[in-house]
Amino acid sequence: QVQLQESGPGLVKPSQTLSLTCSVSGGSISSGNYYWSWIRQPAGKGLEWIGRVYTSGITKYNPSLKSRVTIAVDASKNRFSLRLTSLTAADTAVYYCARDGDDSSSSYFEYWGQGTLVTVSS
Amino acid sequence: SYVLTQPPSVSVAPGKTARITCGGNNIGSNIVHWYQQKPGQAPVLVIYYDSDRPSGIPERFSGSNSGNTATLTISRVEAGDEADFYCQVWDNSSDRYVFGTGTKVTVL
Repeated sequence: QVQLQESGPGLVKPSQTLSLTCSVSGGSISSGNYYWSWIRQPAGKGLEWIGRVYTSGITKYNPSLKSRVTIAVDASKNRFSLRLTSLTAADTAVYYCARDGDDSSSSYFEYWGQGTLVTVSS
Repeated sequence: SYVLTQPPSVSVAPGKTARITCGGNNIGSNIVHWYQQKPGQAPVLVIYYDSDRPSGIPERFSGSNSGNTATLTISRVEAGDEADFYCQVWDNSSDRYVFGTGTKVTVL
């Protein structure tokens, strides 16, 4: 059973950069044709896909966030990361990592982390 | 960009059937997935590929997709089904995953 666990700071100041890590257990991040995604959810609101990475390093980002997002994979440590720059209060949300498939047209998120709350405030 | 519209809330009595719609332009040509999210928890996949159920999801959960509407149906609703539900597709035009606006299911 694949398990994902997010880690990172819970509080970040405006204009700063958020860095989160998702550790994968129960299987190798490099096995199978899977992509690894970040998704966020502001309190009381819906889900927003941020972007995804393949173990080769290939990435795809939500166009609305693309200029501020970097997602990378570290297969040697079985984890992947999210970097989001120029933070504002609108970036305050629960951030989830999740696994999806290689064919985005049909892919779904079968495994999710528990989520980590990130608050942007001075 | 592609918008998936869901009713904000659906109320249903125990034992009855709840139907949650997900409206989008020609959504029937997309593959739709559904998630259940209980308070303070991560979403859980309940339907994939329009109508398939992951292992461990009760047969009471079913899905359909045609035309401009996808539907998640919960039969014989139980108190434990109370949650927020989201539909999800891939939008080729904007090159991103899109989630529906979400529906809160309340069991009366």
